[in-house]
Amino acid sequence: ILNVEQSPQSLHVQEGDSTNFTCSFPSSNFYALHWYRWETAKSPEALFVMTLNGDEKKKGRISATLNTKEGYSYLYIKGSQPEDSATYLCALNTGTASKLTFGTGTRLQVTL
Amino acid sequence: GAGVSQSPSNKVTEKGKDVELRCDPISGHTALYWYRQSLGQGLEFLIYFQGNSAPDKSGLPSDRFSAERTGGSVSTLTIQRTQQEDSAVYLCASSLERLSSYEQYFGPGTRLTVT
Repeated sequence: ILNVEQSPQSLHVQEGDSTNFTCSFPSSNFYALHWYRWETAKSPEALFVMTLNGDEKKKGRISATLNTKEGYSYLYIKGSQPEDSATYLCALNTGTASKLTFGTGTRLQVTL
Repeated sequence: GAGVSQSPSNKVTEKGKDVELRCDPISGHTALYWYRQSLGQGLEFLIYFQGNSAPDKSGLPSDRFSAERTGGSVSTLTIQRTQQEDSAVYLCASSLERLSSYEQYFGPGTRLTVT
C-alpha cells in the first residue's frame, strides 16, 4: 500500500502571506507526482504534473518543487489571496498503472 | 469546450437500494477513472478504463460495486444493495492518454448519501 502524506492538514493564513505545504511519498517506483487544487463545490483542478527529480514548476503565484530521491514535493503560494482558499492535493503515480494515489490534502484558508 | 460531467450531482438513497452514477468524459479522452472521497478520507481510486483494454478494477471495495464504459465514452458506476459506508463523493476523471504524466480532468462529483 502506497503511503502519500501531506502536511499540514490545515492552514489558516492572512491575505498577503506566503505559505508552503509538503507532500511525502515513497521514493521507490516513482513515475509522476500530481498537484491538484480542490475548491468547495467545484471539480479538482490540475496544477502541476512533475516527473523529473529537481523539477520546478510555476503557475502565477503558485510554484512546486520535486525531490524524487528523498521522496517529497513542496507547493508554494506567494502572497496568498482569499481565492486561494481550497484543499491542495498531491497524488503519486508509480507507472505500473495510471491510477493515482492521493494524499489527504492540505486545507488552506486565506482571510482578509 | 465541455468538461467532464457527472449525474446526478446529489443522490440520497435508502440502505439496500441500488444506485447508478453516470460520467460523461471529455470527448476524445481514452482513459476514464472513478474515485471516491469518504468523509475524512483522501481520494480513493476505484476503477480505470483505457480504450478497449480490460478495466483495472483493483480499487473496487466489494463485489457490490461494478462499472462499465459503453462505446469507449460514457461510464456508469453501479452500487448494489447500498450500505451507509458507501456514502461519499464519487468523482470521475478522464485523460487524453494512458500515460500517468497526463493530467486527469475531474468532473464535479456525485454526492451519495445512504440513509
